[in-house]
Amino acid sequence: GAVVSQHPSWVICKSGTSVKIECRSLDFQATTMFWYRQFPKQSLMLMATSNEGSKATYEQGVEKDKFLINHASLTLSTLTVTSAHPEDSSFYICSAGRGPDTQYFGPGTRLTVL
Amino acid sequence: QQQVKQSPQSLIVQKGGISIINCAYENTAFDYFPWYQQFPGKGPALLIAIRPDVSEKKEGRFTISFNKSAKQFSLHIMDSQPGDSATYFCAASGGGGYQKVTFGTGTKLQVIP
Repeated sequence: GAVVSQHPSWVICKSGTSVKIECRSLDFQATTMFWYRQFPKQSLMLMATSNEGSKATYEQGVEKDKFLINHASLTLSTLTVTSAHPEDSSFYICSAGRGPDTQYFGPGTRLTVL
Repeated sequence: QQQVKQSPQSLIVQKGGISIINCAYENTAFDYFPWYQQFPGKGPALLIAIRPDVSEKKEGRFTISFNKSAKQFSLHIMDSQPGDSATYFCAASGGGGYQKVTFGTGTKLQVIP
């Protein structure tokens, strides 16, 4: 149990286009989901906390208008990178909360912006 | 401000040996300390976790030791295997209710045959 999926697993896009990444909790309902960004050989950096039915809470320094988050249901949250640029290239990982503390992570999405 | 410090940055252990990774935290509000294992190109997977009311927790070959007064905790991997080669992150969160997880900087473990 506690499986979190992400789609797509990798994406290559041209600079200026928008990319949507889906995060799904497959076998449990998650009122809270989290989005992280990870650069090579670095730790995970929390971008935002997504709560079902309400606006996401963004970490300091994360552009809300660039990284649009929607948590439309208890099993789905989406991250849209708008007008992507090469510096947005990274590994994006979501997690879903289950129980009082535990987060289960998705497999990640590799974004490359040309 | 780095709230969870992790060391070493990298570690090479021979097969069958003990791998030890250390973490220290500053925020006394933290009350949940998970360890995650991450393979290249994959998301982190929860390995084992501990709460501060317990000094040690063991699951198979993995043991967490926790020192509340020193605000330190460590992961011990007994009988390390090449399949354990991965990056390990300690983490901390506080207060319950899906609190934000603060990650350590990671330790890249390589277990050599």
